[in-house]
Amino acid sequence: EAGVAQSPRYKIIEKRQSVAFWCNPISGHATLYWYQQILGQGPKLLIQFQNNGVVDDSQLPKDRFSAERLKGVDSTLKIQPAKLEDSAVYLCASSLSERSGNTIYFGEGSWLTVV
Amino acid sequence: DQQVKQNSPSLSVQEGRISILNCDYTNSMFDYFLWYKKYPAEGPTFLISISSIKDKNEDGRFTVFLNKSAKHLSLHIVPSQPGDSAVYFCAASGGSNYKLTFGKGTLLTVNP
Repeated sequence: EAGVAQSPRYKIIEKRQSVAFWCNPISGHATLYWYQQILGQGPKLLIQFQNNGVVDDSQLPKDRFSAERLKGVDSTLKIQPAKLEDSAVYLCASSLSERSGNTIYFGEGSWLTVV
Repeated sequence: DQQVKQNSPSLSVQEGRISILNCDYTNSMFDYFLWYKKYPAEGPTFLISISSIKDKNEDGRFTVFLNKSAKHLSLHIVPSQPGDSAVYFCAASGGSNYKLTFGKGTLLTVNP
């Protein structure tokens, strides 16, 4: 079974530039998550989708971050304009459903450096 | 306000001995707990989980214990192997929305 796919793996941009990350979840998984992990911290949820609807985006900095999951499968996370503090690993994850008890599987992450 | 706390940033053990990683939580709504393992440059990998209706769950060398009254869980690895060297994250979920709240992680080093 293929895992959660993410691209690009690594990205270096200058502050105020924009960047987009792509995620393809495990086939059949209805719930998709984007997490941000800053060095030395645990992953922090940015946004959660159930199919193509947003379930939770309370910690997404909406003035610069946006995410979509138009057809309920792939998802894109965009940052515009980027700030130095956005340097982090952006982890996409998926689970069968939003019901507690389902394992959440993570991709390898997209590593962003803002200079 | 950190709802999931892993107070030991690092732990070092000898191969073959027991590794015990600890995790505390403050949110009484949490009812499902997971441990993830993370190697450098990789995403977190699911290791083991436990529901709040249980106090122990075992999978091979890995056992998770849950003490609800103390809001504390621990992961035991017996025997520890060098390949277990990684960062271990404790995560919890609960309430109406299934999302994970993570601790900061504990770096486990198993020395040969």
